[in-house]
Amino acid sequence: GESVGLHLPTLSVQEGDNSIINCAYSNSASDYFIWYKQESGKGPQFIIDIRSNMDKRQGQRVTVLLNKTVKHLSLQIAATQPGDSAVYFCADYHSGYSTLTFGKGTMLLVSP
Amino acid sequence: DAGVIQSPRHEVTEMGQEVTLRCKPISGHDYLFWYRQTMMRGLELLIYFNNNVPIDDSGMPEDRFSAKMPNASFSTLKIQPSEPRDSAVYFCASTTGWERDTGELFFGEGSRLTVL
Repeated sequence: GESVGLHLPTLSVQEGDNSIINCAYSNSASDYFIWYKQESGKGPQFIIDIRSNMDKRQGQRVTVLLNKTVKHLSLQIAATQPGDSAVYFCADYHSGYSTLTFGKGTMLLVSP
Repeated sequence: DAGVIQSPRHEVTEMGQEVTLRCKPISGHDYLFWYRQTMMRGLELLIYFNNNVPIDDSGMPEDRFSAKMPNASFSTLKIQPSEPRDSAVYFCASTTGWERDTGELFFGEGSRLTVL
């Protein structure tokens, strides 16, 4: 299938900073883009998603931006906390496949 | 709900042995997915079921891998014979389907397999 990739493998920030995790995708026909968080020893957990006809969506302390022109997706985390330390995956969904394709992941390290 | 339940959480076996991983999806979810996670390849979809029927098994590495879903509350992923390169974390996930307008899959805690 199409690939979903990430620019940075590791992002280190200080507690209280804002974090931005980026993702490039290749399938322009994807219907949804989704961010998952995976803590050590656990399964991925849904954070937020965005439909392909939107360019921004906000959740609690998180914002996802979608730029379809350059096929770029980002996850912004406000006031990053140590509990945000995890691996973050972007994924895309296409209704024709009924599955998610995951990127390789970015590790976010938050220092107190 | 208890979430997606996988067993065993950890398995260490020797090359050539049969391995069976088990999954109980969230009640009412009609899609079930098996993913494999390794450092080198990330999260890879192996197979998924809809209403207990396998829909796409193109991600299954080879004939040594098989998956079944005999009923709505249980699925197995079997590797026979196992090889060291099968060492990975295997995740099961379920969802009600994409009609709810969300891309959310519910993942289990995973089964960490080590083949010596």
